Parts: sequence; structure tokens; C-alpha cells
Amino acid sequence: AQRVTQPEKLLSVFKGAPVELKCNYSYSGSPELFWYVQYSRQRLQLLLRHISRESIKGFTADLNKGETSFHLKKPFAQEEDSAMYYCALSAVPGGGNKLTFGTGTQLKVEL
Amino acid sequence: KAGVTQTPRYLIKTRGQQVTLSCSPISGHRSVSWYQQTPGQGLQFLFEYFSETQRNKGNFPGRFSGRQFSNSRSEMNVSTLELGDSALYLCASSLEREAGRAYEQYFGPGTRLTVT
Repeated sequence: AQRVTQPEKLLSVFKGAPVELKCNYSYSGSPELFWYVQYSRQRLQLLLRHISRESIKGFTADLNKGETSFHLKKPFAQEEDSAMYYCALSAVPGGGNKLTFGTGTQLKVEL
Repeated sequence: KAGVTQTPRYLIKTRGQQVTLSCSPISGHRSVSWYQQTPGQGLQFLFEYFSETQRNKGNFPGRFSGRQFSNSRSEMNVSTLELGDSALYLCASSLEREAGRAYEQYFGPGTRLTVT
């Protein structure tokens, strides 16, 4: 069975402080991991995916297969980073697009 | 490029009724997935359609069904509504998975269903 765990419902940091949103997954094969973000009154949208190994809006995430983790990091938080962040896993042996989401972490960046 | 659209945006139904929600994917996207979002359970996968065929299915009762048309538009239907079906229903479209790689899913604004 696939499972994604985001242990923090709410993470509050000050502007300029480092951010780390935790994500752990459970899957026996080789999953694909994503971070989706939902800003206030906006649609859910892709932030980044592990396969691209890119930095988006200063955020990075590294897939650690040994620890089955895919934590999202940013060195200096900005006010506009305040949003709901969802870690998601895609693992469909038979093909297709199915995402298993974590419960999400609300990031609040305070001035 | 126009985004994913969902209609209606809000819906109020009574227990026992049925409801049909509609989703129009981004032009060129043939994969359409549906998710249910509730405060208690979060985002849960309902099903995925591709080329008018259901390709993947989540763990929801048979009261939840869907279909996809030849133009890739999709509908989902919930019969015999229960109070617990109150949720935000999200539709997402995507390009086809290729060479083992999952593509980005583009989400619609959702349909807020309230069952009274």
C-alpha cells in the first residue's frame, strides 16, 4: 500500500528563517514524488518533482530512498511562501496518473 | 491555454439524491483524474479516465462513478448521496504518462458539494 505522511499540520516560521517541510512515504517500489502547493484562493498546483531535481521559487527537495523521505526545503522564507503544501506520490505499476497525497502542511511565514 | 474547468462550482443536494459533476480538461490532455477533498480525510483519489476508459480506481463505494467522452471531458456521478459525501471534488488533467514518468497534473477549481 502507498502512504504519504506529513507530520506537521502547521509550520510557523519568521521571514528569512530556513524552512523544512517534512514528507515520508511508504512504497516498496520506486515512486515518483511531488510537492504541490495551494496559495490562498488559488488552485492546487505543482511546485516541484523529484525527477527534475530543480529549484522552484527557492525550494528544493531531495529524494532519500534510504529514509523514504522527500523533505521540502528553502533557506530563507518569504512572506509569499505562506500556503498549504502537499507531498504526493505517484506509483502506478499498470500505468496512469494517480496521486496519493499527504495530509498537507500549512506554512505560515511571519514578519 | 485555458485551464481545467469544473461545473458547477457549488452545489447543494439532499440525502438520497444523486449528482453529476463535470470537468473539461486542458486541450490536448487525455487523462482526467478525480479527487475528493475533505477536512478529515484530505485529498483522496477517486478514479482516472483515459481515452474513455477507467484506468485507475480508488477505494470508494460503487455509488461513485464516472465517465469520459471522446473529447476528453469527464463527468462524475454520485448516487444516493450521504452527508459524508459533502466535500470539494477536484478534477485534474494530465498528459499521458510516458516512459515510466508521471506528468504534472493540472487541477481545476473544484466543485463544492454540500449534502443536507
